[in-house]
Amino acid sequence: EDKVVQSPLSLVVHEGDTVTLNCSYEVTNFRSLLWYKQEKKAPTFLFMLTSSGIEKKSGRLSSILDKKELFSILNITATQTGDSAIYLCAVNAGGTSYGKLTFGQGTILTVHP
Amino acid sequence: DGGITQSPKYLFRKEGQNVTLSCEQNLNHDAMYWYRQDPGQGLRLIYYSQIVNDFQKGDIAEGYSVSREKKESFPLTVTSAQKNPTAFYLCASRATGGTNEKLFFGSGTQLSVL
Repeated sequence: EDKVVQSPLSLVVHEGDTVTLNCSYEVTNFRSLLWYKQEKKAPTFLFMLTSSGIEKKSGRLSSILDKKELFSILNITATQTGDSAIYLCAVNAGGTSYGKLTFGQGTILTVHP
Repeated sequence: DGGITQSPKYLFRKEGQNVTLSCEQNLNHDAMYWYRQDPGQGLRLIYYSQIVNDFQKGDIAEGYSVSREKKESFPLTVTSAQKNPTAFYLCASRATGGTNEKLFFGSGTQLSVL
């Protein structure tokens, strides 16, 4: 069975801190890993990673994938209160499970002023 | 505007009743998905469909049913067999083939039991 595990499950920081969110996975026929941010209702897309060692960056957010050790990290530098959200990691499978996207439990990030 | 529309936003179910959640997309996407989210938690896959008239069970399909008669529509029925249906339900879609693996989400339906 495909498995995606995120850690920590929750995190409380102050504005300006840097945070690292983790996502490990066990998936047959890995195709890609995706990060989403969920503030209220619909999750919004952050990054898609397919190759090891190549950092994706968008402003204060960055992410990298390690396909050998089967994990990804999402870094947020100089956090702001607007970064408070649930961060979701999902893994896209291939082979007989083609099309199946499995999410982790999410990390609840709270940023205090 | 292209997007995914879920309705209703809020739904109440009486015990023993089946209810159907609607999901419509005009993005011309082949694949559609239903996820369940419990408070403060991640998303769990209920059913997914890669093509019209075909769908697969996800990790928590028991007590749910779906149909995919049209490309644009993927309704989810929560049956009376689902004993703990109170949750937030998200529908999503994506294009298939190539590198189009990003999911687009609707705004969700909050289902509660009376």
